Amino acid sequence: DQQVKQNSPSLSVQEGRISILNCDYTNSMFDYFLWYKKYPAEGPTFLISISSIKDKNEDGRFTVFLNKSAKHLSLHIVPSQPGDSAVYFCAATPYSGAGSYQLTFGKGTKLSVIP
Amino acid sequence: DTAVSQTPKYLVTQMGNDKSIKCEQNLGHDTMYWYKQDSKKFLKIMFSYNNKELIINETVPNRFSPKSPDKAHLNLHINSLELGDSAVYFCASRSTKETQYFGPGTRLLVL
Repeated sequence: DQQVKQNSPSLSVQEGRISILNCDYTNSMFDYFLWYKKYPAEGPTFLISISSIKDKNEDGRFTVFLNKSAKHLSLHIVPSQPGDSAVYFCAATPYSGAGSYQLTFGKGTKLSVIP
Repeated sequence: DTAVSQTPKYLVTQMGNDKSIKCEQNLGHDTMYWYKQDSKKFLKIMFSYNNKELIINETVPNRFSPKSPDKAHLNLHINSLELGDSAVYFCASRSTKETQYFGPGTRLLVL
C-alpha cells in the first residue's frame, strides 16, 4: 500500500536539457509535498517543497508542479547539470495536528545527467 | 559544524547482540526522527520525538527503543539484533513544517 509512488526507478538526461521527475500519491490527507536529493553514503537533503494550496513553486533551476486532482507532482530541473546526478525522493505529509509532520517517502528515482 | 550527526557511521555485529546508534542535532530543533531505509530502498518513519516526548511510534518491534536525554539528542537502542535489522538508519530533525534535516546515516549489518 504505497501511498507515494515514483514509478521511474531511473532517468538519464543530457547535460543542459530538462529533467522531469514524477511522483504520484494516493492519500487525500497529504497537504505538503517535498523533494529530497540523496548522494551515495549521505543523508537526504531537502530540495524544494510545495503546499497543497499552490500548484507551482520555483527555486532557481528547480520547479515543483502539483496537480491535486490527479494526485500528481513533478520536479523539473532546468538546465540539468552533472552535479544533479543523485537519487531524488518525493515525500508527502498530512497535517497531523500533533505537530509531528510525519513524512511518507517514495522509493526514489536515480537521475543521471550525462555530460 | 555538522547540523545532524550520527555515530557510528558503520556498524557490523552478530545476531543477538545489543547495540546503540547516537544522534545529535545542533540546530535547536524541537522534533527529531528515526527512519529506516531497507534493502528495497524505502525510507520509513520509525519514531518521532518532540521536546523529549514520543509522538510517533510506528509498527516497530519493541526491541527498538528510542531514548531522548535532551532536545538535541535522540538515540536508538536495539536489543537482540536480527538479520532483518540490517539497513541504513537515518536520524532527522525538524523546525518548520516543510524541512527535515537528515543525518548521514548509520549502515547496520547484522551477521
